[in-house]
Amino acid sequence: EAQVTQNPRYLITVTGKKLTVTCSQNMNHEYMSWYRQDPGLGLRQIYYSMNVEVTDKGDVPEGYKVSRKEKRNFPLILESPSPNQTSLYFCASSPSGKEGYTFGSGTRLTVV
Amino acid sequence: KQEVTQIPAALSVPEGENLVLNCSFTDSAIYNLQWFRQDPGKGLTSLLLIQSSQREQTSGRLNASLDKSSGRSTLYIAASQPGDSATYLCPSNSNSGYALNFGKGTSLLVTP
Repeated sequence: EAQVTQNPRYLITVTGKKLTVTCSQNMNHEYMSWYRQDPGLGLRQIYYSMNVEVTDKGDVPEGYKVSRKEKRNFPLILESPSPNQTSLYFCASSPSGKEGYTFGSGTRLTVV
Repeated sequence: KQEVTQIPAALSVPEGENLVLNCSFTDSAIYNLQWFRQDPGKGLTSLLLIQSSQREQTSGRLNASLDKSSGRSTLYIAASQPGDSATYLCPSNSNSGYALNFGKGTSLLVTP
Protein backbone atom coordinates (compact mmCIF):
# COMPACT_ATOMS: atom_id res chain seq x y z
CA GLU A 1 0.00 0.00 0.00
CA ALA A 2 1.33 3.43 -0.95
CA GLN A 3 1.76 5.42 2.21
CA VAL A 4 3.65 7.92 4.30
CA THR A 5 4.52 6.59 7.74
CA GLN A 6 5.28 8.85 10.68
CA ASN A 7 6.50 7.84 14.09
CA PRO A 8 5.68 8.29 16.85
CA ARG A 9 1.97 9.11 16.69
CA TYR A 10 2.04 10.75 20.10
CA LEU A 11 4.95 12.22 22.02
CA ILE A 12 5.19 14.11 25.29
CA THR A 13 8.59 15.56 26.10
CA VAL A 14 10.24 18.19 28.28
CA THR A 15 11.69 21.50 27.23
CA GLY A 16 15.19 21.20 25.82
CA LYS A 17 15.28 17.44 25.29
CA LYS A 18 16.25 16.71 21.70
CA LEU A 19 13.83 14.61 19.71
CA THR A 20 13.36 13.25 16.22
CA VAL A 21 10.12 12.50 14.40
CA THR A 22 10.62 10.03 11.59
CA CYS A 23 8.90 10.04 8.22
CA SER A 24 9.16 7.41 5.53
CA GLN A 25 7.43 7.00 2.16
CA ASN A 26 7.28 3.95 -0.10
CA MET A 27 6.26 5.63 -3.36
CA ASN A 28 9.73 6.66 -4.60
CA HIS A 29 8.66 10.31 -4.43
CA GLU A 30 11.30 12.97 -5.01
CA TYR A 31 9.59 15.59 -2.84
CA MET A 32 8.88 15.47 0.88
CA SER A 33 7.81 18.13 3.34
CA TRP A 34 6.81 18.80 6.93
CA TYR A 35 3.82 20.82 8.13
CA ARG A 36 2.54 21.81 11.52
CA GLN A 37 -1.10 22.37 12.30
CA ASP A 38 -2.27 24.69 15.05
CA PRO A 39 -5.83 25.70 15.99
CA GLY A 40 -6.94 28.79 14.08
CA LEU A 41 -3.76 28.87 11.97
CA GLY A 42 -4.22 25.98 9.57
CA LEU A 43 -1.31 23.97 8.22
CA ARG A 44 1.99 25.73 7.73
CA GLN A 45 5.06 24.37 6.00
CA ILE A 46 8.21 23.91 8.09
CA TYR A 47 10.74 22.47 5.64
CA TYR A 48 10.72 20.67 2.34
CA SER A 49 13.08 18.59 0.27
CA MET A 50 13.19 18.33 -3.51
CA ASN A 51 15.56 15.36 -3.50
CA VAL A 52 18.30 13.63 -1.56
CA GLU A 53 20.59 16.17 0.12
CA VAL A 54 18.38 19.07 -1.08
CA THR A 55 16.34 20.80 1.62
CA ASP A 56 14.85 24.28 1.98
CA LYS A 57 12.96 26.33 4.53
CA GLY A 58 9.22 26.70 4.51
CA ASP A 59 7.21 29.36 6.29
CA VAL A 60 8.02 28.42 9.91
CA PRO A 61 11.48 26.77 10.04
CA GLU A 62 12.74 28.29 13.30
CA GLY A 63 13.62 25.67 15.90
CA TYR A 64 13.59 22.75 13.47
CA LYS A 65 16.14 20.84 11.43
CA VAL A 66 15.72 18.24 8.72
CA SER A 67 17.91 15.92 6.73
CA ARG A 68 17.41 13.89 3.55
CA LYS A 69 20.11 11.27 3.30
CA GLU A 70 17.89 8.72 1.56
CA LYS A 71 15.00 9.30 -0.80
CA ARG A 72 12.47 7.47 1.36
CA ASN A 73 13.22 9.15 4.72
CA PHE A 74 12.84 12.74 5.88
CA PRO A 75 13.20 13.07 9.67
CA LEU A 76 12.23 16.22 11.55
CA ILE A 77 14.62 17.15 14.35
CA LEU A 78 13.89 19.43 17.29
CA GLU A 79 17.25 20.08 18.92
CA SER A 80 15.87 22.00 21.90
CA PRO A 81 12.07 21.77 21.96
CA SER A 82 10.06 24.55 23.54
CA PRO A 83 6.38 24.67 24.57
CA ASN A 84 5.50 26.77 21.50
CA GLN A 85 6.38 23.75 19.37
CA THR A 86 3.49 21.83 20.85
CA SER A 87 1.48 21.02 17.74
CA LEU A 88 0.21 18.38 15.35
CA TYR A 89 2.85 17.57 12.77
CA PHE A 90 2.35 16.09 9.31
CA CYS A 91 4.80 14.70 6.83
CA ALA A 92 3.83 14.66 3.16
CA SER A 93 5.31 13.43 -0.09
CA SER A 94 4.67 14.13 -3.76
CA PRO A 95 6.26 12.90 -6.99
CA SER A 96 7.77 16.34 -7.65
CA GLY A 97 6.06 18.81 -5.35
CA LYS A 98 3.58 19.67 -8.11
CA GLU A 99 1.56 16.47 -8.39
CA GLY A 100 -0.79 14.94 -5.85
CA TYR A 101 0.33 14.84 -2.24
CA THR A 102 0.09 11.98 0.24
CA PHE A 103 0.06 12.83 3.93
CA GLY A 104 1.08 10.80 6.94
CA SER A 105 -1.26 10.20 9.88
CA GLY A 106 0.31 12.88 12.00
CA THR A 107 2.40 13.18 15.17
CA ARG A 108 0.90 14.96 18.13
CA LEU A 109 3.75 16.55 20.07
CA THR A 110 3.41 18.09 23.51
CA VAL A 111 6.36 19.95 25.03
CA VAL A 112 6.05 20.68 28.75
CA LYS B 1 2.08 34.44 -0.76
CA GLN B 2 -1.03 32.66 -1.90
CA GLU B 3 -3.93 32.99 0.52
CA VAL B 4 -6.79 30.54 0.54
CA THR B 5 -10.25 31.43 1.84
CA GLN B 6 -12.81 28.72 2.48
CA ILE B 7 -16.49 29.52 2.78
CA PRO B 8 -18.40 28.67 4.85
CA ALA B 9 -16.14 28.12 7.84
CA ALA B 10 -18.68 25.71 9.30
CA LEU B 11 -21.76 24.02 7.96
CA SER B 12 -24.40 21.77 9.51
CA VAL B 13 -26.89 19.95 7.29
CA PRO B 14 -29.35 17.09 7.68
CA GLU B 15 -28.51 13.82 6.04
CA GLY B 16 -29.43 13.57 2.38
CA GLU B 17 -28.87 17.20 1.47
CA ASN B 18 -26.67 18.25 -1.44
CA LEU B 19 -24.10 20.85 -0.50
CA VAL B 20 -21.35 23.04 -1.93
CA LEU B 21 -18.09 24.06 -0.31
CA ASN B 22 -16.15 26.98 -1.71
CA CYS B 23 -12.51 27.96 -1.98
CA SER B 24 -11.02 31.16 -3.32
CA PHE B 25 -7.40 32.08 -3.93
CA THR B 26 -5.66 35.44 -4.02
CA ASP B 27 -3.35 34.26 -6.80
CA SER B 28 -5.10 32.64 -9.74
CA ALA B 29 -1.82 31.15 -11.01
CA ILE B 30 -2.75 27.75 -9.65
CA TYR B 31 -0.94 24.69 -10.94
CA ASN B 32 -3.38 22.08 -9.69
CA LEU B 33 -5.84 21.67 -6.84
CA GLN B 34 -6.29 18.81 -4.42
CA TRP B 35 -9.24 18.52 -2.06
CA PHE B 36 -8.71 16.75 1.26
CA ARG B 37 -10.82 15.76 4.21
CA GLN B 38 -9.51 15.64 7.76
CA ASP B 39 -11.22 13.85 10.60
CA PRO B 40 -10.58 15.31 14.08
CA GLY B 41 -6.99 14.74 15.15
CA LYS B 42 -6.31 12.59 12.10
CA GLY B 43 -4.34 12.88 8.91
CA LEU B 44 -5.40 14.33 5.58
CA THR B 45 -7.15 12.04 3.16
CA SER B 46 -7.02 12.99 -0.51
CA LEU B 47 -10.45 13.20 -2.13
CA LEU B 48 -9.90 14.63 -5.59
CA LEU B 49 -7.01 16.06 -7.59
CA ILE B 50 -7.74 18.48 -10.43
CA GLN B 51 -4.70 18.41 -12.67
CA SER B 52 -3.33 21.51 -14.36
CA SER B 53 -5.07 20.75 -17.66
CA GLN B 54 -8.43 19.82 -16.12
CA ARG B 55 -11.42 21.81 -14.93
CA GLU B 56 -13.15 19.24 -12.79
CA GLN B 57 -12.97 15.79 -11.26
CA THR B 58 -15.59 13.40 -10.01
CA SER B 59 -15.44 10.53 -7.58
CA GLY B 60 -18.68 8.90 -6.47
CA ARG B 61 -20.83 11.53 -4.76
CA LEU B 62 -18.10 14.15 -4.96
CA ASN B 63 -17.47 16.61 -7.76
CA ALA B 64 -14.82 19.30 -7.66
CA SER B 65 -14.34 22.09 -10.16
CA LEU B 66 -11.63 24.67 -10.64
CA ASP B 67 -11.90 28.02 -12.40
CA LYS B 68 -8.37 29.34 -12.65
CA SER B 69 -9.41 32.63 -14.24
CA SER B 70 -11.43 33.60 -11.19
CA GLY B 71 -9.27 31.76 -8.66
CA ARG B 72 -12.14 29.65 -7.32
CA SER B 73 -12.87 26.03 -6.65
CA THR B 74 -16.00 24.29 -5.45
CA LEU B 75 -16.60 20.86 -3.97
CA TYR B 76 -20.08 19.47 -4.49
CA ILE B 77 -21.24 16.66 -2.21
CA ALA B 78 -24.39 14.87 -3.27
CA ALA B 79 -26.74 13.11 -0.90
CA SER B 80 -24.67 13.85 2.18
CA GLN B 81 -24.19 11.19 4.88
CA PRO B 82 -23.13 11.39 8.54
CA GLY B 83 -19.83 9.79 7.49
CA ASP B 84 -19.09 12.90 5.44
CA SER B 85 -18.69 14.88 8.67
CA ALA B 86 -15.12 16.21 8.68
CA THR B 87 -13.08 19.28 7.91
CA TYR B 88 -12.54 19.86 4.19
CA LEU B 89 -9.38 21.52 2.91
CA CYS B 90 -8.47 22.83 -0.54
CA PRO B 91 -4.80 23.85 -0.48
CA SER B 92 -3.51 25.52 -3.61
CA ASN B 93 -0.40 24.44 -5.44
CA SER B 94 0.85 27.51 -7.24
CA ASN B 95 2.79 27.71 -10.49
CA SER B 96 5.81 28.95 -8.57
CA GLY B 97 7.00 27.46 -5.34
CA TYR B 98 6.76 23.99 -3.90
CA ALA B 99 4.30 24.15 -1.07
CA LEU B 100 0.63 23.68 -0.46
CA ASN B 101 -0.99 26.85 0.85
CA PHE B 102 -3.80 25.98 3.22
CA GLY B 103 -6.87 27.88 4.30
CA LYS B 104 -8.61 27.21 7.60
CA GLY B 105 -10.99 24.67 6.12
CA THR B 106 -14.72 24.11 6.21
CA SER B 107 -16.01 22.07 9.14
CA LEU B 108 -18.95 19.98 7.97
CA LEU B 109 -21.45 18.23 10.22
CA VAL B 110 -24.07 15.98 8.67
CA THR B 111 -26.77 15.04 11.16
CA PRO B 112 -28.83 11.82 10.91
